[in-house]
Amino acid sequence: KNQVEQSPQSLIILEGKNCTLQCNYTVSPFSNLRWYKQDTGRGPVSLTIMTFSENTKSNGRYTATLDADTKQSSLHITASQLSDSASYICVVSLPGAGSYQLTFGKGTKLSVIP
Amino acid sequence: KAGVTQTPRYLIKTRGQQVTLSCSPISGHRSVSWYQQTPGQGLQFLFEYFSETQRNKGNFPGRFSGRQFSNSRSEMNVSTLELGDSALYLCASSLERAGANVLTFGAGSRLTVL
Repeated sequence: KNQVEQSPQSLIILEGKNCTLQCNYTVSPFSNLRWYKQDTGRGPVSLTIMTFSENTKSNGRYTATLDADTKQSSLHITASQLSDSASYICVVSLPGAGSYQLTFGKGTKLSVIP
Repeated sequence: KAGVTQTPRYLIKTRGQQVTLSCSPISGHRSVSWYQQTPGQGLQFLFEYFSETQRNKGNFPGRFSGRQFSNSRSEMNVSTLELGDSALYLCASSLERAGANVLTFGAGSRLTVL
């Protein structure tokens, strides 16, 4: 069964510190891997999308890495801000066009405190 | 450029009632997909519509249905509501099929079933 596991489930860090969120997947083969940020009570917002041939992609203070051999991805947040408090969701896409091809992780809830 | 608009944002229903949720995609986007999000299960795929046709359906009972209109707006309907249907319902739009394209999510419709 295709699965996406995220760790940790929740994380609390001090403002200004860096952190790394993990995503392990068993989806194979896969087409692309995405990271989304979801603020409380809002819809997810896309941060990065990487194909299987890419191993890093940045979006401001967010950097996603991908190791297709070990089936692991990480999202690194640099110099965290209070506005980074949110859930971060990893999504892996099977080859194919439909939404059915997407497998979602349950997310990591990040809290940034002053 | 307007984002994805979902209405209503919040609603309360009682068991046995039915509900209709609406989603207006980004102008020019032809694919609309729907997801149910609960704290325990994360995001779960409901169905995807593309050019007024349902392309895929997730593992949900027949009480969940939807449709897409010629202007790409979509509605989903849940009949005979159960307590377990309480969730955040998210729709997302993309230019083409969702598997290979970035999804833009709406803010969601928060359904509470009493």
